[in-house]
Amino acid sequence: QVTLRESGPALVKPTQTLTLTCTFSGFSLSTSGMCVSWIRQPPGKALEWLALIDWDDDKYYSTSLKTRLTISKDTSKNQVVLTMTNMDPVDTATYYCARSLCGDSEDFDYWGQGTLVTVSS
Amino acid sequence: DVVMTQSPLSLPVTLGQPASISCRSSQSLVYSDGNTYLNWFQQRPGQSPRRLIYKVSNRDSGVPDRFSGSGSGTDFTLKISRVEAEDVGVYYCMQGTHWPPKLTFGGGTKVEIK
Repeated sequence: QVTLRESGPALVKPTQTLTLTCTFSGFSLSTSGMCVSWIRQPPGKALEWLALIDWDDDKYYSTSLKTRLTISKDTSKNQVVLTMTNMDPVDTATYYCARSLCGDSEDFDYWGQGTLVTVSS
Repeated sequence: DVVMTQSPLSLPVTLGQPASISCRSSQSLVYSDGNTYLNWFQQRPGQSPRRLIYKVSNRDSGVPDRFSGSGSGTDFTLKISRVEAEDVGVYYCMQGTHWPPKLTFGGGTKVEIK
């Protein structure tokens, strides 16, 4: 059974760095073809893909946020970490992690429950 | 970047009646391998998104057969043959063809009961 769970602070201040962790089970990121992405959703708005890391440790970022994002993985802990620098109130959103079967180009077949991050002083 | 445009933004539907959601991409979604990487997701109120359809028309496991996807090139449609109360939510299309650099979602269509 595949599960993903996001964790991190519920509140960050403007200019701070956000660190989110996705802890997953039911698959391994060392398996060829496996990928994990971060996706966010501001309240009442649409989904926005942020970053992806694959089994081979290749990393991909949204072009509009590339300078602020870092994605990494700890295969032994079954975790993927996203950091976002210089947080702003417009970054207030629910942040999701989701699995992809990149080897088959099948995206986001499993999602976490999401974690709401509010940016406010 | 590829832009995904959904219509309508809101879709009031009578229970038991059909519903249809359109998704158009700014570029063809046919990949060099011949596949078209267009997915549909459902997000019920207060829940995470759930994938319903992948590669245009393939239903995910457990998805009722009243959901169907169709289309080609730049024009795609999600159809619900007979809307049920549990189908209320926001539906998103998403392209994975023009990757990298970006996986792109549409703006969403809200399905509600009249």
